[in-house]
Amino acid sequence: KAGVTQTPRYLIKTRGQQVTLSCSPISGHRSVSWYQQTPGQGLQFLFEYFSETQRNKGNFPGRFSGRQFSNSRSEMNVSTLELGDSALYLCASSFLVEAGGHEQYFGPGTRLTVT
Amino acid sequence: KNEVEQSPQNLTAQEGEFITINCSYSVGISALHWLQQHPGGGIVSLFMLSSGKKKHGRLIATINIQEKHSSLHITASHPRDSAVYICAVRGSGGSNYKLTFGKGTLLTVNP
Repeated sequence: KAGVTQTPRYLIKTRGQQVTLSCSPISGHRSVSWYQQTPGQGLQFLFEYFSETQRNKGNFPGRFSGRQFSNSRSEMNVSTLELGDSALYLCASSFLVEAGGHEQYFGPGTRLTVT
Repeated sequence: KNEVEQSPQNLTAQEGEFITINCSYSVGISALHWLQQHPGGGIVSLFMLSSGKKKHGRLIATINIQEKHSSLHITASHPRDSAVYICAVRGSGGSNYKLTFGKGTLLTVNP
């Protein structure tokens, strides 16, 4: 079974631009979560989707948005990029999001650098 | 104060030593995860537990719900165990139903 894939793996953008990151979950997984990892803040939750619905959202500004498609693939978008958005963005999928949670399978991440 | 506290932040061990990493949390949870992250970024889920104890090979994870504390043990440590170990808790419902992470423990196992 193929793992979680994320594209692109590396990205360099300029301040003020916008970026779209993509995540394809493991086949059969309907829950996709996004996380931001920086050296200063560590791992932080961005949002979680289940069956095309956003189930939960972290404490990030409205410049960060996401969506999930009917095939469970998910995208996240960051508009008006700031230097502080430079980070590793990780996506994780799981079979279900209910009942105490299920084991999460992480993708390799997209390393975004904002210059 | 962070909702999830890990100790120690850094740990250096000799090959073969028994290792313990601790995680304390301050909120009600539905589950606790232990994750491993190697240099380069890839994260692997080691355990998800809500009570008791789980074992995978040389790794053992325990949780005490009353004391809001979990430990990750590595027996007979090996240099390939060198990684960052991250504790994460999933809240108990509603808007808290999300993963909150500790800062991680950097483990270095020397041969």
